[in-house]
Amino acid sequence: DAGITQSPRYKITETGRQVTLMCHQTWSHSYMFWYRQDLGHGLRLIYYSAAADITDKGEVPDGYVVSRSKTENFPLTLESATRSQTSVYFCASSADGYGYTFGSGTRLTVV
Amino acid sequence: EDQVTQSPEALRLQEGESSSLNCSYTVSGLRGLFWYRQDPGKGPEFLFTLYSAGEEKEKERLKATLTKKESFLHITAPKPEDSATYLCAVGDMDSNYQLIWGAGTKLIIKP
Repeated sequence: DAGITQSPRYKITETGRQVTLMCHQTWSHSYMFWYRQDLGHGLRLIYYSAAADITDKGEVPDGYVVSRSKTENFPLTLESATRSQTSVYFCASSADGYGYTFGSGTRLTVV
Repeated sequence: EDQVTQSPEALRLQEGESSSLNCSYTVSGLRGLFWYRQDPGKGPEFLFTLYSAGEEKEKERLKATLTKKESFLHITAPKPEDSATYLCAVGDMDSNYQLIWGAGTKLIIKP
């Protein structure tokens, strides 16, 4: 099916563990983005990518790592999870860099 | 500093009662203004892009307008299914693909 898929949908992890959130899109969009959404902060950009092998930091990149070896995949890794990283994470893709299509999100809880 | 402010935070309307949501913005150079709709537990869904003052876009019961300082999302004769959080975001000419997001307006339409 065409679209943008995030996995897992829900994740509970312990402080200090490494966790990877997956994002896959089927349109071959050049641009992909990772956001986190928290009450009181709205949507904040973590990292974005303009093409395979090109990534750049957003507003809140600390504690996160991304890679983009293939156009369709843009995984987000929390190297050592902290409670402050408990959030809802959204991946998005875009053909032109602005008209985003968002995934359904991953609700991450760090205990 | 770039800023996006949405008002009101929440709006309750009766079915059929028309109203408007406001998005005020401050950017050095507007690349575009974007409206999204977000339902609970889902990712934001793209509605409109506006690029220049005076531009208008329509989709069903929604109409978005843009001035040099703000955008309005007019909702005409809303139905309960229009209930959602409406998000506004702006792109700045000086910021590569980084959108500045408002906190959103939660719209509730009562039958």
